[in-house]
Amino acid sequence: QVKLLQSGAALVKPGDSVKMSCKASGYTFTDYIIHWVKQSHGKSLEWIGYINPYSGGTNYNEKFKSKATLTVDKSSSTAYMEFSRLTSEDSAIYYCAHSSYIYRWFAYWGQGTLVTVSS
Amino acid sequence: DIQMTQSPASLSASLEEIVTITCQASQDIGNWLAWYQQKPGKSPQLLIYGATSLADGVPSRFSGSRSGTQYSLKISRLQVEDIGIYYCQQASSAPWTFGGGTKLELK
Repeated sequence: QVKLLQSGAALVKPGDSVKMSCKASGYTFTDYIIHWVKQSHGKSLEWIGYINPYSGGTNYNEKFKSKATLTVDKSSSTAYMEFSRLTSEDSAIYYCAHSSYIYRWFAYWGQGTLVTVSS
Repeated sequence: DIQMTQSPASLSASLEEIVTITCQASQDIGNWLAWYQQKPGKSPQLLIYGATSLADGVPSRFSGSRSGTQYSLKISRLQVEDIGIYYCQQASSAPWTFGGGTKLELK
């Protein structure tokens, strides 16, 4: 069955960067797009961007364009998101999710990675 | 960006009651709409896609409908396991955007 397994929680200092992972299994990695979604505590969901594992092509929400960098490692079926210049506003749960190339709703989600930014 | 205005923000209902949540899109998104349920401490789960299609494994008491740019999620007979937060999402154009959420509680 399809699984997206995310890396564990991270405690980082303001100004630092964090890189989180999303390991896919149960399907052909290059057949689906990987998206990243932010959920601040008690808040709604924000789409950060997606990466096409086949081509490496990316599409970012303008709000996160200078903040997030998406990459993939096809050999390990793993997607990565690096978040830079962290502030307290970046403390949140970050989810990876996948969609088809045509239909951009998310049938499968990772369990989430909690990022806490604190000195 | 397409704005998704969801209402109500919170809702208290009794078991077996009919529950309806709505989402208003700021522009035409056709049937490019999905609904998710999120339980505390869990990832969102896809309920409805294409505005009206039921996702795999979702009970038939859930249904989706559309009238112009207004979309509705209906739970025909509320069960205990339906408690959680519900979100709509437009999948018409990037950036994909979500509604603010509806917190559903038992009365």
